[in-house]
Order: sequence, then structure tokens, then C-alpha cells
Amino acid sequence: KAGVTQTPRYLIKTRGQQVTLSCSPISGHRSVSWYQQTPGQGLQFLFEYFSETQRNKGNFPGRFSGRQFSNSRSEMNVSTLELGDSALYLCASSLLRTSWRETQYFGPGTRLLVL
Amino acid sequence: SQKIEQNSEALNIQEGKTATLTCNYTNYSPAYLQWYRQDPGRGPVFLLLIRENEKEKRKERLKVTFDTTLKQSLFHITASQPADSATYLCALDIVGYSGGGADGLTFGKGTHLIIQP
Repeated sequence: KAGVTQTPRYLIKTRGQQVTLSCSPISGHRSVSWYQQTPGQGLQFLFEYFSETQRNKGNFPGRFSGRQFSNSRSEMNVSTLELGDSALYLCASSLLRTSWRETQYFGPGTRLLVL
Repeated sequence: SQKIEQNSEALNIQEGKTATLTCNYTNYSPAYLQWYRQDPGRGPVFLLLIRENEKEKRKERLKVTFDTTLKQSLFHITASQPADSATYLCALDIVGYSGGGADGLTFGKGTHLIIQP
């Protein structure tokens, strides 16, 4: 079974631009979560989508948004990019809603650099 | 909100010895705690999950303990090998009344483990 895939793997943008990242979960998985990872803050939860609905949201500004399609694929968008948005963005999928029951399977991440 | 602390400094262990990593948490009492391994440039990989009513969990050379009184989990790698060198993250999820984690999985910043030959 193919793992979680994320595209693109690397991205360079300038301040003020917007960016869209894509995530394809493991086949059959219905939950997709997004995380931001930086050396200073570590892994921080952005949001979780399940059955095309945002179920949970972390403490990030409204510039960060996402959506999930009927095939469970998810996209994450960041508008008006700031230098501090430079990070590794990780997508994780699980069979059911993220919870203590569920193992999360992470993709390789998208490395975003904002100049 | 939940706070998780892991040793921020790198842990250097000689090959063949047991590596012990610590994860401390505050404010809540998670029902479950997970451990992940992350290699440079890759996403975390799930290793073990331990429940609050399980004092210890083992998987091959890995062992995890969970002390809800101390609010601490210990992660052990026995007979360590250079291939075990990686960053190890602990994560927990609060069993909310809604049945899911209100804040998603909360991760520690991880401990960088270096196994020297």
C-alpha cells in the first residue's frame, strides 16, 4: 500500500505570496492532519480534516486554511506569506479520526522557504 | 494547554548500551502516549503506543514505560545500534469528552539520539 505523499517536496516563495500544498493519504484513510515543524517550536498541529470537514484546529492565524476532497486528498493554503512561515509542513493520515486509538502515518513533508 | 518536555540536548550513547529517553508532561492526564522516530528530511514514523493502564510496553528492542503519577514516559532502546540514531518524539492526545483530541496530537520537540560505534 502506498504511503502518504506530499507535493511539492520543496518550495521557495517570497513574502506576501500565497502557497498551496497537497497531501494524498494512504488509501482508505479518511483523516488528514497537518503539522508545521520548525527547529524552535517543534511539531505544531495545524488542523485535522475528516470526511471533508475540519474537525480540529490548532492555534494558527486565519492565513492558514485547508480543505479535504471527497477522495480524502487534502490541500493546505497559506496566504500572505511571512518569513516565519518557513518550515517543514507535514501531513499525516489515519484510518479514522485522529485520537488516542489511531496511529498517524506521516508523509515526507513539504519544505517551504519564504524569502 | 498541554505541555510536553523532552531533553532538548542530544543524547550520545555507545553502541550496545541502553539508551533512555524521557518525556514529561503537565496539566492533563492523557489516556495514551505515543512515541515516534524521525530521520532528517523525513516525516515521523510511529513506534509504540502505551495506555495509561499499561505500565510497560515492549516491541523488539524498544520498551516504553508510562508513569501517570510522575507524569512521565521513558523510552528505552536496548542493545543500541548506530542505525538507531535519529530524533525521537513523544506525543499525546487527550481523550476529550468528544472522543477525540481537541488539540490534535501534541508533540514534544524531540530528543536527538546519537549512537556511536
